[in-house]
Amino acid sequence: GAVVSQHPSWVICKSGTSVKIECRSLDFQATTMFWYRQFPKQSLMLMATSNEGSKATYEQGVEKDKFLINHASLTLSTLTVTSAHPEDSSFYICSASVLAGTGELFFGEGSRLTVL
Amino acid sequence: AQSVAQPEDQVNVAEGNPLTVKCTYSVSGNPYLFWYVQYPNRGLQFLLKYITGDNLVKGSYGFEAEFNKSQTSFHLKKPSALVSDSALYFCAVRGDSNYQLIWGAGTKLIIKP
Repeated sequence: GAVVSQHPSWVICKSGTSVKIECRSLDFQATTMFWYRQFPKQSLMLMATSNEGSKATYEQGVEKDKFLINHASLTLSTLTVTSAHPEDSSFYICSASVLAGTGELFFGEGSRLTVL
Repeated sequence: AQSVAQPEDQVNVAEGNPLTVKCTYSVSGNPYLFWYVQYPNRGLQFLLKYITGDNLVKGSYGFEAEFNKSQTSFHLKKPSALVSDSALYFCAVRGDSNYQLIWGAGTKLIIKP
């Protein structure tokens, strides 16, 4: 199946700094990528839908200025957590869909963010 | 609006026994249904999907799922559980857009030796 690479897997940062997480589709073009946040023992919470070449669509309650999403190419989307605080600590997962598919998503391995 | 329910937070099964992880859905129109598995500190892996055709869908790692339209269910099954099957399992249904999925809360599957 299609491969989605997410980097970094783990990141620890100080409060107030910004962290960038990359999501790449390695062997297919992804017009749409999704960013999720997962709290311990909970399901995935969709944060935003990222479309190549256009602004991301954020879910209700997700701060656009806090979680900056850029989808500059058909194979790369980035999530930047700006001015991170301890409450932003979480597991962030990206997913991508193939250009013409049936809704099947391919997921990155996830990024564990810990803000001190 | 589309929704998915996984009624069990956790399922415990002895190794070698059959397992079932339940999922029910609510959609308008024909459902596109999916099962994903998540191992600790990992992303999700696709197991199987139902779009159309046979109600019994076979997927990865020996898993299968049965689509039941009258009961609006899509339960995940495996004839003989392995300890390595222990993980978090998510059922999902396609949302209003072509690529968005609506997720169940997840079911933790524990296989005991």
